[in-house]
Amino acid sequence: GAGVSQSPRYKVAKRGQDVALRCDPISGHVSLFWYQQALGQGPEFLTYFQNEAQLDKSGLPSDRFFAERPEGSVSTLKIQRTQQEDSAVYLCASSLAAGATIYEQYFGPGTRLTVT
Amino acid sequence: KQEVTQIPAALSVPEGENLVLNCSFTDSAIYNLQWFRQDPGKGLTSLLLIQSSQREQTSGRLNASLDKSSGRSTLYIAASQPGDSATYLCAVAGANNLFFGTGTRLTVIP
Repeated sequence: GAGVSQSPRYKVAKRGQDVALRCDPISGHVSLFWYQQALGQGPEFLTYFQNEAQLDKSGLPSDRFFAERPEGSVSTLKIQRTQQEDSAVYLCASSLAAGATIYEQYFGPGTRLTVT
Repeated sequence: KQEVTQIPAALSVPEGENLVLNCSFTDSAIYNLQWFRQDPGKGLTSLLLIQSSQREQTSGRLNASLDKSSGRSTLYIAASQPGDSATYLCAVAGANNLFFGTGTRLTVIP
């Protein structure tokens, strides 16, 4: 596709529900990143994939958060037993090469998660 | 941990003015620095990327500078237009991720 797409764009979940957020990166991009953006804040790093390998998950806030990219393209971020503090916009980005050191990251429109 | 600060948090200027947005970071061991704009309810659009070995980058009315040793970057916007109204985010690159500031919300008044 022309850019990074994410679905759903909006998700409302009741506390305790599980949610799955999808990211379709730009075709051929090696790197995929997930970020969490709370209201009024800058995005914060969650996890990084190089192809299908999850090389960095240091930003995942708890073991309720899980991400995968099984075939090296589409990625899913799953949050189990959602809590109110999980309410945020979840942004996905992809980049042409490995890591964040060389090429710019292209961001999707985000998924706004509201936990009630 | 890398800390990124952006000043001011909000800025309002009349159309046509030139303006400067500031970004500072605590750890000078960065790979690159990117400036993004974010429109309400939308994702981030990359504006400029400066590699750590570079001093500045230009794109149209935008010019970004990088002084790695002092941990500072500036984004200069010339002849501002109402369409420039957005939140501008600065991000510095580690090996596997970006560290973002909290942004400067810019309003250009017609």
